[in-house]
Amino acid sequence: DIQMTQSPSSLSASVGDRVTITCRASQGISSSLAWFQQRPGKAPKSLIYAASSLQSGVPSKFSGSGSGTDFTLTISSLQPEDFATYYCQQYSSYPLTFGGGTKVEIK
Amino acid sequence: EVQLVESGGGLVQPGGSLRLSCAASGFTFSDHFMDWVRQAPGKGLEWVGRTRNKANSYTTEYAASVKGRFTISRDDSKNSLYLQMNSLKTEDTAVYYCARVSSGSYSFDSWGQGTLVTVSS
Repeated sequence: DIQMTQSPSSLSASVGDRVTITCRASQGISSSLAWFQQRPGKAPKSLIYAASSLQSGVPSKFSGSGSGTDFTLTISSLQPEDFATYYCQQYSSYPLTFGGGTKVEIK
Repeated sequence: EVQLVESGGGLVQPGGSLRLSCAASGFTFSDHFMDWVRQAPGKGLEWVGRTRNKANSYTTEYAASVKGRFTISRDDSKNSLYLQMNSLKTEDTAVYYCARVSSGSYSFDSWGQGTLVTVSS
């Protein structure tokens, strides 16, 4: 199975900050990498697919990059609604696997 | 608008069975692969399994943790996805989400709101 490792597991940031979350795959997955946002008590929301493509309706303050084993999610200017947990996921091979999550909290 | 609505969750004893449903609307259900993903209380997301579409012979994939106990099926005439869960264990306690797989990218693009399954005596 491909292991997905996210870092950090949590971070504190202020409104307006630029935030970067990293995700590392235990083996190469090309660009088969997605990012999801989950607010407390809510279902996940799809943000990015193919490592860097925004899902329809997702604001451009979210961006993704990387290929192979190393990936990043960047939020350019944090807003109150962005405080949530973010997960990466590989869909290169079965079983599909998720990172452990990064909780973005208000400083 | 794409809508996915799960139902069928509840309290079940260890060793018992439960069937979850996911009602889809707002898109051509039969065209898409569909997945189940679960989340234990306070934990991260775990992929459960997938059913492909008719063009791909409705074949399925499962996580090792549920293989042989869970069965994913679909009824395209009813725009519905199912998860039959047998031999339930306490560690199956989770919110279960259905998710649509994009026909282009094969990533998840829509999620349901989830249904809670509690396995406890």
